[in-house]
Amino acid sequence: AQTVTQSQPEMSVQEAETVTLSCTYDTSESDYYLFWYKQPPSRQMILVIRQEAYKQQNATENRFSVNFQKAAKSFSLKISDSQLGDAAMYFCAYRPSARQLTFGSGTQLTVLP
Amino acid sequence: GAVVSQHPSRVICKSGTSVKIECRSLDFQATTMFWYRQFPKQSLMLMATSNEGSKATYEQGVEKDKFLINHASLTLSTLTVTSAHPEDSSFYICSARAETSYEQYFGPGTRLTVT
Repeated sequence: AQTVTQSQPEMSVQEAETVTLSCTYDTSESDYYLFWYKQPPSRQMILVIRQEAYKQQNATENRFSVNFQKAAKSFSLKISDSQLGDAAMYFCAYRPSARQLTFGSGTQLTVLP
Repeated sequence: GAVVSQHPSRVICKSGTSVKIECRSLDFQATTMFWYRQFPKQSLMLMATSNEGSKATYEQGVEKDKFLINHASLTLSTLTVTSAHPEDSSFYICSARAETSYEQYFGPGTRLTVT
């Protein structure tokens, strides 16, 4: 069975600083996708970034970037120039091709002014 | 981007009654929709996979007679919590999967409170 592990239940970062959220996963699949979702207090799930496993290049979306280490099965999220609006629960998720998402336990990010 | 709506956003019902939650994909067709349950400060727990025109597939430990799922069209899935009890109080989230990309798009969730 596939598992997704987020070992940091809570993290905090000073506004304008950089923070990295960790995620590891376990799979025997070769074709899969990895995601980071943000869930703010409204509880609407928002896709932050996605990574296709076959791509070696790390995905980037503005201030958000990932460090994808396929051999180590690691998928961390880096948030640069943190803003107050980045405060949320962040979920790492894994999806084998054409199947459903498996979520990690989440990391609650606090941004300190 | 693709939009998924959920209705109602909040519902309060009395113990023993049933409540229906609707999930609609507004601008795309979804053969498959997913229903999740989320407790405070916890992750999303998959309850069932809803397939248009066929029976839903329930995850282990989820009572299919209690959580009735109907996926009657390519844009609508419903979750009915039957004979609700206070322990069914939770946040329920649906997700619709786009046919071509297999991407999942999430509804805004429904907060159910059973008194």
